[in-house]
Amino acid sequence: NAGVTQTPKFQVLKTGQSMTLQCAQDMNHNSMYWYRQDPGMGLRLIYYSASEGTTDKGEVPNGYNVSRLNKREFSLRLESAAPSQTSVYFCASSEAVGTILYGYSNQPQHFGDGTRLSIL
Amino acid sequence: DAKTTQPPSMDCAEGRAANLPCNHSTISGNEYVYWYRQIHSQGPQYIIHGLKNNETNEMASLIITEDRKSSTLILPHATLRDTAVYYCIVSFTGNQFYFGTGTSLTVIP
Repeated sequence: NAGVTQTPKFQVLKTGQSMTLQCAQDMNHNSMYWYRQDPGMGLRLIYYSASEGTTDKGEVPNGYNVSRLNKREFSLRLESAAPSQTSVYFCASSEAVGTILYGYSNQPQHFGDGTRLSIL
Repeated sequence: DAKTTQPPSMDCAEGRAANLPCNHSTISGNEYVYWYRQIHSQGPQYIIHGLKNNETNEMASLIITEDRKSSTLILPHATLRDTAVYYCIVSFTGNQFYFGTGTSLTVIP
């Protein structure tokens, strides 16, 4: 049981290049999330997907797009990378949805090991 | 969602109990308190969560005050492997987690 798997683990990009970060979970969770963590700071939510087919903006969505490909997979895309997007990116999943439409839940989120992205 | 306040750092002797405080004075009635930790820039690890009652699992205990304005995470017998950054989070929806900068706990041999 791998939990949440992120690929790649490390990546170096040049400014202006595009990149897709992949995330897959094998826990049959409904909700998935993308965070970024800058040095010395806590995690900040970029986007989340309460269920397959839905996505919503988090705290810092600018410069990113997401796709919930199916229940298992949630990808994060940088269309034109900028040095300010140098960060560690974490994907997470949780069992239950957390929206006003589907109902709230207190289920915890489970995290992957991160993708370390440097943009020169 | 409500924000939390945690001390930036704490030390604890190995084998002793580590008590990590968290203030969440603006917490609303339906918001849960969650604790996570992050070891060496790995992905955050879920520890425990609760609403009103005290909770205990194999990793830790969570003590929530009666007015719910603060809580304490207790690691009963701290080991060197418990050295990490500990995050206290409050959330109603369970999806919008605000992590803050947490408490850096150092367990001293």
